[in-house]
Amino acid sequence: QQQVKQSPQSLIVQKGGISIINCAYENTAFDYFPWYQQFPGKGPALLIAIRPDVSEKKEGRFTISFNKSAKQFSLHIMDSQPGDSATYFCAASKSGKLIFGQGTTLQVKP
Amino acid sequence: KAGVTQTPRYLIKTRGQQVTLSCSPISGHRSVSWYQQTPGQGLQFLFEYFSETQRNKGNFPGRFSGRQFSNSRSEMNVSTLELGDSALYLCASSTQSSYNEQFFGPGTRLTVL
Repeated sequence: QQQVKQSPQSLIVQKGGISIINCAYENTAFDYFPWYQQFPGKGPALLIAIRPDVSEKKEGRFTISFNKSAKQFSLHIMDSQPGDSATYFCAASKSGKLIFGQGTTLQVKP
Repeated sequence: KAGVTQTPRYLIKTRGQQVTLSCSPISGHRSVSWYQQTPGQGLQFLFEYFSETQRNKGNFPGRFSGRQFSNSRSEMNVSTLELGDSALYLCASSTQSSYNEQFFGPGTRLTVL
């Protein structure tokens, strides 16, 4: 049973564009929603995270938008750069157990 | 601070063997979680340890086990290896106060032949 659904599976964006990745969750008990970035051969790196009492969080070029009623959240990458090319995972957590989405492979073309 | 370290980085085993993977958390982090990453199933939670006790467990067979030592270092063991156990095994650590904020190591790539 997939509790966190992520889309799209892959994304190609031009340099300077906006990358948007969406996730939907089922369990309303989740209380922490992080995004991870993973480069080939590396472990996932925590990018940004949000709690359900906040609708938006911004850190640099990365923004999480959170819609509690729709049980959806998304990652926006502004001014996307070739160095942002990686796989992005959304996750949801309750009591420290992370449930991950299937991942989105982002390619930013120069 | 040094990040999460995992050893070995690569392992090749044959079916039926057992394997032990090691994880050293970030200094001061007392919670250690293990995840399996495969192309087909993605990232899946195995178990979490805190203060030498398993606090959380995922849906994996009993062949997968782990333990944590008093210095917070953790090991996971897989017995009677199957081809399907080939995966990247990731360890993540966190503090007790921010147990959701997990920092991952580089992983151990296990190949079962």
